[in-house]
Amino acid sequence: NAGVMQNPRHLVRRRGQEARLRCSPMKGHSHVYWYRQLPEEGLKFMVYLQKENIIDESGMPKERFSAEFPKEGPSILRIQQVVRGDSAAYFCASSPPFGGENTGELFFGEGSRLTVL
Amino acid sequence: AQKVTQAQTEISVVEKEDVTLDCVYETRDTTYYLFWYKQPPSGELVFLIRRNSFDEQNEISGRYSWNFQKSTSSFNFTITASQVVDSAVYFCALSEAGWSNDYKLSFGAGTTVTVRA
Repeated sequence: NAGVMQNPRHLVRRRGQEARLRCSPMKGHSHVYWYRQLPEEGLKFMVYLQKENIIDESGMPKERFSAEFPKEGPSILRIQQVVRGDSAAYFCASSPPFGGENTGELFFGEGSRLTVL
Repeated sequence: AQKVTQAQTEISVVEKEDVTLDCVYETRDTTYYLFWYKQPPSGELVFLIRRNSFDEQNEISGRYSWNFQKSTSSFNFTITASQVVDSAVYFCALSEAGWSNDYKLSFGAGTTVTVRA
């Protein structure tokens, strides 16, 4: 039973380029969350998505950042025109639908580490 | 607003020593959840525990134990007889309770534990 899969694990971009980070949730999980971990800090919530819907994007920067979770395929976190301050580890988590088997645990992937030169 | 404080930035111990990690939180919610996650050097986040604010019983799981003191807003974590494999960054986190709010975790800055052989 594969866990949350994130790729790439490491990504290097130059300032002004675009970064795309992918996340495939665990099998049976319909909820995806993105968190960002800046160096020497804890994780900070960015966005919560369900299939084809953004439920809560209150933690997303207003510009250059977007996220999607299409009907087919992985969730994508997209950062346009990256700047050095975007260098961070981006974690994706998933959970099953609320109720039933949902115990409140978020299952995290191994993270994607973005370095902006 | 929610806030989680992990005052200890780094702790270094010799194998077999006990180590206690402090976590103090602030919230205006009467119902909330507290979590501990482990982040080993490989970078993934490993879920350790989730505790409901109404459940103040201490919990023990193998060499891990947790002390929840609602009166002091603390949720401390103790590793007994530490081992080298316990070396990691440990994060305490807090979320509002509610049907669909569990996902928005507020993380502390983390405590780096180094266990020397």
